[in-house]
Amino acid sequence: GENVEQHPSTLSVQEGDSAVIKCTYSDSASNYFPWYKQELGKGPQLIIDIRSNVGEKKDQRIAVTLNKTAKHFSLHITETQPEDSAVYFCAASTHGGSQGNLIFGKGTKLSVKP
Amino acid sequence: DAGVIQSPRHEVTEMGQEVTLRCKPISGHNSLFWYRQTMMRGLELLIYFNNNVPIDDSGMPEDRFSAKMPNASFSTLKIQPSEPRDSAVYFCASSPRLTVNSNQPQHFGDGTRLSIL
Repeated sequence: GENVEQHPSTLSVQEGDSAVIKCTYSDSASNYFPWYKQELGKGPQLIIDIRSNVGEKKDQRIAVTLNKTAKHFSLHITETQPEDSAVYFCAASTHGGSQGNLIFGKGTKLSVKP
Repeated sequence: DAGVIQSPRHEVTEMGQEVTLRCKPISGHNSLFWYRQTMMRGLELLIYFNNNVPIDDSGMPEDRFSAKMPNASFSTLKIQPSEPRDSAVYFCASSPRLTVNSNQPQHFGDGTRLSIL
């Protein structure tokens, strides 16, 4: 089945710097890759996603890139702010997204220091 | 609009007791998912339903775990008997359709933090 690896597990940056989180997946049939942000005591919230027919997607300070050949995708956060501090999860859909299964990475705890 | 609603938010009980977690999906969403989150294993999909029918329960760890969805607006996850290793945060998520994509993402509730003593 699908396996998603996420790195790093923790990331500390200075406010205003950029942060990059990387994930790899194993199932070449996966075609949907969401990123979730989880704040303390809350459930994961979708922040951006990408489909396999797109190489890059951007939403203000957040961007996601996908390399299908290498089976890896990355989250880029620019001009980080203290409120970006949270745990970020990548995920990949199995069965090409047709059955709703999402396999999650283990998460990255991002700390943005003022 | 109300999001996915889970209850209780916190549950502390002694091992051997029955535990029932509840979830109300977003109105109009046809698919419902139960996840378990632990430090060691991360977010694991336990079971999911489509149109109130269980589709895949291969993630349910043991027969002590069971889930039901009697109608489109309510689902339960039950553990009987509970054990200390069941301690975790349990999340419910819903999506408009079973197919997950940018237009039909999964929305998560805020979870139930379960502690089995």
